[in-house]
Amino acid sequence: ELKVEQNPLFLSMQEGKNYTIYCNYSTTSDRLYWYRQDPGKSLESLFVLLSNGAVKQEGRLMASLDTKARLSTLHITAAVHDLSATYFCAVDINDMRFGAGTRLTVKP
Amino acid sequence: SQTIHQWPATLVQPVGSPLSLECTVEGTSNPNLYWYRQAAGRGLQLLFYSVGIGQISSEVPQNLSASRPQDRQFILSSKKLLLSDSGFYLCAWSTSFGYEQYFGPGTRLTVT
Repeated sequence: ELKVEQNPLFLSMQEGKNYTIYCNYSTTSDRLYWYRQDPGKSLESLFVLLSNGAVKQEGRLMASLDTKARLSTLHITAAVHDLSATYFCAVDINDMRFGAGTRLTVKP
Repeated sequence: SQTIHQWPATLVQPVGSPLSLECTVEGTSNPNLYWYRQAAGRGLQLLFYSVGIGQISSEVPQNLSASRPQDRQFILSSKKLLLSDSGFYLCAWSTSFGYEQYFGPGTRLTVT
C-alpha cells in the first residue's frame, strides 16, 4: 500500500528565514503534487512534478522531485506571513494519496 | 475555463438524517470525479471516484454512497448520518488518472 509521509507536521518559523518540508513515499512514482490549503478553504494546486529531477519555482517556494529516493522537497525562501497555510504533498499511483500535511506558521 | 461547484457550502444535520451533497463541473467533458473527506486538522481521505456516468469506485467501506447521474455531476449521499461523518467534503476533477486534480470549494458538514 502506498504511504506518503510529510515532515514536519507543524512548522513555526520567523519571517525572512528559510526552511524545507519533506515528502517521502513508499512506492515508485514519477507524479507528485504540492497543494496549499488556507484555514477553512479548499486546496489550491502549487506544483506538478512529473519526472525525476524536476524542479519548479514560484515566488518564495521551490519544489523538487527525486524519484529514486522517493522524496520531494518544498523549500521556502525568506518566508513571509502570507505563506502561512497547510501544505500537502500527494502521490499518484492508481489514485491520489495525500500526506498528512504540514501546518506552516510564519511569525513576524 | 473549467470551474467546479459544490453545495451546500455548510450543513448541520442530526444523527440519523439523510445526506445529499452535490458537485458539478463546467467547461470540460468526461472528467474523472472524486470525493474526499477531511477530518478537522487532518489530511484527505479518498472516498469515491468515477471515470464515467454510472461508474463509481469506493475506496473506503462506510455508510456513504456516491452516484454520477450525468457526465459532470457527482453526488455524495447517506441514508443515515453518523457523528463520525462530520468533516470537510471536497469534490475534485481531473482530465484523467495521474493528472492534476482540481478541487471544489468544499462542504463543511457537522453532524449533531
